[in-house]
Amino acid sequence: GAVVSQHPSRVICKSGTSVKIECRSLDFQATTMFWYRQFPKQSLMLMATSNEGSKATYEQGVEKDKFLINHASLTLSTLTVTSAHPEDSSFYICSASPPGSGGAKYFGPGTRLTVT
Amino acid sequence: QKEVEQDPGPLSVPEGAIVSLNCTYSNSAFQYFMWYRQYSRKGPELLMYTYSSGNKEDGRFTAQVDKSSKYISLFIRDSQPSDSATYLCAMSAVGGANSKLTFGKGITLSVRP
Repeated sequence: GAVVSQHPSRVICKSGTSVKIECRSLDFQATTMFWYRQFPKQSLMLMATSNEGSKATYEQGVEKDKFLINHASLTLSTLTVTSAHPEDSSFYICSASPPGSGGAKYFGPGTRLTVT
Repeated sequence: QKEVEQDPGPLSVPEGAIVSLNCTYSNSAFQYFMWYRQYSRKGPELLMYTYSSGNKEDGRFTAQVDKSSKYISLFIRDSQPSDSATYLCAMSAVGGANSKLTFGKGITLSVRP
């Protein structure tokens, strides 16, 4: 299957700082990527749709000024959590669909963010 | 009523058992159906992808879609301890790279040696 990577796999930061998470499609180009967050023992919650070369589309209730998304190339999308607080601690996962997959989504391994 | 309902579990079975995982949905526009397996602290892994009604088999896994009943299933034959994970169903109304998925809550499966 298609490969999506994320970096870092885990990060610990202090309250008030910003953290950048990268999502890369390694063997295909992705004009669209999706960002999710997942709390323990819960399903995935879609945060935003990242579009290459244009602004991201955020789901209702997601603060776009807090979760900055940049999709600067066809293989890279970044999520920056600005002025992080302990309640932002979560598991962040990205996904993308390779061309010709009919929309089947492949997920990255996830990034565990802990804000102290 | 949630758009996608999934049996909450957890589910525990002995090794070698046949496992049946199910989801129901309310949106008749859904046409694309996926099953994901997620190990603890990992991203979801795509297991099965089907379009419209019918069956699809891949090794020990069989996915079934019954659009008339708005019901999908994943069967795991000869279950192994390595199958212990959370299983999520997901679906969308349209295909394509920019289609959004709607997920079930997931069910945690434990296969006892």
